Amino acid sequence: AQSVTQLGSHVSVSEGALVLLRCNYSSSVPPYLFWYVQYPNQGLQLLLKYTTGATLVKGINGFEAEFKKSETSFHLTKPSAHMSDAAEYFCAVTMLTFGGGTRLMVKP
Amino acid sequence: KAGVTQTPRYLIKTRGQQVTLSCSPISGHRSVSWYQQTPGQGLQFLFEYFSETQRNKGNFPGRFSGRQFSNSRSEMNVSTLELGDSALYLCASSLAEGGEETQYFGPGTRLLVL
Repeated sequence: AQSVTQLGSHVSVSEGALVLLRCNYSSSVPPYLFWYVQYPNQGLQLLLKYTTGATLVKGINGFEAEFKKSETSFHLTKPSAHMSDAAEYFCAVTMLTFGGGTRLMVKP
Repeated sequence: KAGVTQTPRYLIKTRGQQVTLSCSPISGHRSVSWYQQTPGQGLQFLFEYFSETQRNKGNFPGRFSGRQFSNSRSEMNVSTLELGDSALYLCASSLAEGGEETQYFGPGTRLLVL
C-alpha cells in the first residue's frame, strides 16, 4: 500500500522568501514521486517528478525537490517566492495516491 | 498540441439522476485516468483506461463506471447521484500506462448535485 502525507495544509511566506513544502511517503516498492500545482479553477500541472537516477530533481518555475530514501521524503523547495506561486500544491506517489495538498500563500 | 479537454465544464444535477462526463486526451496519448477532487477527501483516483481496457480502479462504488473508445476518448458515468458526489472530476492523459508516466490534466468538470 502507498500513502502520502503533506505536512501543513496552509503555508504562508513573504515574497522573496524560501518556499518549503513538505511531503513524506510510504511505499512498499521503489516510488515514483510527483509534485503538481493547481491554480484556481484549473487542473493540475506537473512541476517535477522523480523516477530513478539523480535524487535532486529540478522542475519548472524554479522549483526543485530532493528524494531522500532514508527519510522517505520528497520536499519541494524554491529559493525565492513570487506572488505568482500562490496556488495549491500536491505531492503524489505514482498516479494512484495523492497527498492532501498544501495551499501556498505569498505575502507582498 | 491541444491539451486535455473535458466537457461539460459545469453541471448541475439532482439526486437520483445519472451523469456522463467526457474527456478527450492529448493527441497520441493512450492512457486516460479519472480523479474526484473534494474539499473533504482531496484527490482520489477513480480508474485508469489504456487501449480501451480498465487497468486500475480506485475504491469507489459500482455507481461509478467508465469506458474508453478506440480513439482514446473516455467517458465516465455516475448513476443514482448522491449529494456527496458533488465534486470536481479531473481527467488526465499520458502516453502510456505505468506509474512513472507524466500525466497531463484537463481543467475538470465541476458537478453539483442538489
